[in-house]
Amino acid sequence: SAVISQKPSRDICQRGTSLTIQCQVDSQVTMMFWYRQQPGQSLTLIATANQGSEATYESGFVIDKFPISRPNLTFSTLTVSNMSPEDSSIYLCSVELAESSYEQYFGPGTRLTVT
Amino acid sequence: AQSVTQPDIHITVSEGASLELRCNYSYGATPYLFWYVQSPGQGLQLLLKYFSGDTLVQGIKGFEAEFKRSQSSFNLRKPSVHWSDAAEYFCAVGSPNTGGFKTIFGAGTRLFVKA
Repeated sequence: SAVISQKPSRDICQRGTSLTIQCQVDSQVTMMFWYRQQPGQSLTLIATANQGSEATYESGFVIDKFPISRPNLTFSTLTVSNMSPEDSSIYLCSVELAESSYEQYFGPGTRLTVT
Repeated sequence: AQSVTQPDIHITVSEGASLELRCNYSYGATPYLFWYVQSPGQGLQLLLKYFSGDTLVQGIKGFEAEFKRSQSSFNLRKPSVHWSDAAEYFCAVGSPNTGGFKTIFGAGTRLFVKA
């Protein structure tokens, strides 16, 4: 398994501002993922972030709104830009520990409220 | 396109009773199937997975799931539920994809356990 931490654990932000969420893993991983979980709903994949390449975004998510960095094999950030109340969600990062294992390990999530 | 259906939004069982959570999937080839559990305020934890082989798979915390291709189902079971099992359960289907592996999550089933 892996220890995955996220910062901040929660935040309340004003509309129009941006928030950067950090995800740290205690081991080197190739695949990292960012998900959004809106209140009472399931997880929706935002993007896949592989070290050394541009993040791959899912339909409905764009880099200008959700820029992602992946500077090394243990760390990634997701920025939620120009926030609106509709961005209020839990944001989760996950990793695939072993390449092609297809098992994901999740961080505890960042609960974002936009007012 | 892949999809996952969890017909039950919530289920209530008595402590010590048996449990079955339903999951149906839609996928053209042999799917990679997962069950995850999310306790309040926590990230998701992998309970078990099915890729191939024996259609009855054992997981952590006393859970098991059975893959039934003819019914496109992957139901999760536990013979005796404990109060600590109260959580949200997500069924997921995944497939190798250009650029990686993509996992689609069901809407989730919230389990309530009564004394």
